[in-house]
Amino acid sequence: DSGVTQTPKHLITATGQRVTLRCSPRSGDLSVYWYQQSLDQGLQFLIQYYNGEERAKGNILERFSAQQFPDLHSELNLSSLELGDSALYFCASRGGGGGHTGELFFGEGSRLTVL
Amino acid sequence: AQTVTQSQPEMSVQEAETVTLSCTYDTSESNYYLFWYKQPPSRQMILVIRQEAYKQQNATENRFSVNFQKAAKSFSLKISDSQLGDTAMYFCAFMKMKTSYDKVIFGPGTSLSVIP
Repeated sequence: DSGVTQTPKHLITATGQRVTLRCSPRSGDLSVYWYQQSLDQGLQFLIQYYNGEERAKGNILERFSAQQFPDLHSELNLSSLELGDSALYFCASRGGGGGHTGELFFGEGSRLTVL
Repeated sequence: AQTVTQSQPEMSVQEAETVTLSCTYDTSESNYYLFWYKQPPSRQMILVIRQEAYKQQNATENRFSVNFQKAAKSFSLKISDSQLGDTAMYFCAFMKMKTSYDKVIFGPGTSLSVIP
């Protein structure tokens, strides 16, 4: 158990719809990362938050948005869904400040299927 | 911008044998972390091993070890005494060490099959 919790684990929806994926980082971790993994593909970096602020942005579509709340949980919002958005969405967290060991701790992912 | 390359999309190894997965990266940074992550069929991402660039000694974790060549920007993973449970996708990853909020760049992955 990595300590990172993602909900829902599975989600099936239709094209054009909007969904919200939720992530609770490990206790004390300030950084949250979102990655998209399409079938048999690598991990595509979407966006990163640190202590509530956006810090880095990857290939995130304009239809997608995210935020990190004061309690450090994060949400990834996907709107106007297309078939190609079907993927496994990972959240990962990482400690901040001195003494952290650098690695990301991943949740189990949210599998989104768009029909 | 940093990039991570894994030139072997697929590999296979006989059970109990040794296999080496390759990874190269491109960066102008001098301090950084390198990681190998494993993704078994369950799709969970699991950290295998970590290397800090300022450490000359190669990291080891039980049957897993790395060959870190900083000048060549190479970071290969050696798996000894391969087991069926090692069958997975392996991702090499890079992160700058400058701040506590840098993004982590992943390579495209190598799919490893351990054959009984």
